[in-house]
Amino acid sequence: DGGITQSPKYLFRKEGQNVTLSCEQNLNHDAMYWYRQDPGQGLRLIYYSQIVNDFQKGDIAEGYSVSREKKESFPLTVTSAQKNPTAFYLCASSPTSGASYEQYFGPGTRLTVT
Amino acid sequence: ILNVEQSPQSLHVQEGDSTNFTCSFPSSNFYALHWYRWETAKSPEALFVMTLNGDEKKKGRISATLNTKEGYSYLYIKGSQPEDSATYLCASTILGTYKYIFGTGTRLKVLA
Repeated sequence: DGGITQSPKYLFRKEGQNVTLSCEQNLNHDAMYWYRQDPGQGLRLIYYSQIVNDFQKGDIAEGYSVSREKKESFPLTVTSAQKNPTAFYLCASSPTSGASYEQYFGPGTRLTVT
Repeated sequence: ILNVEQSPQSLHVQEGDSTNFTCSFPSSNFYALHWYRWETAKSPEALFVMTLNGDEKKKGRISATLNTKEGYSYLYIKGSQPEDSATYLCASTILGTYKYIFGTGTRLKVLA
């Protein structure tokens, strides 16, 4: 089955700890994205990567870091510098050619930091 | 940051009713408009992508229209069913970028 997997579904951490969220895709897409969702807000872009070994900050990158060492994988680290890390995190991927660059989403990870 | 607005924020309809939602987006440098359905505990699922002014797309009981000159899109659901209950997201893509700008979504609840 082709798709995007995110693990774990739920994650709990103590304040001050870094935590890494996993995102893997087997769709052979060049581009990958991380979004955050908070209640009452739309999906906000954290980081995106259009190609291996390259990534760009999105609208709310502060307190987050990413890597793109493999085409299939785009892990997101929520660092202790992120002031409000508790949120729902969605990963997506898309082709970089074609008419629409349609994004395909994973099932998400809900992170709770106490 | 350019905004995409969706209305209403939430909606309850009776089974069998038809309904529609609105998505407003920046019309300058527009490239594409995307509609997604997001059911609870699942991944957002792509419904439609539209690029040309006047585009109309249809999938079963759901259809969408696009007006790029005035910057809006409508999503219609004919004869709503309980399984249509979900959050409907729209997103705009700007020319020259792969980035999506998402609206906050319309939460639809269809009552049996």
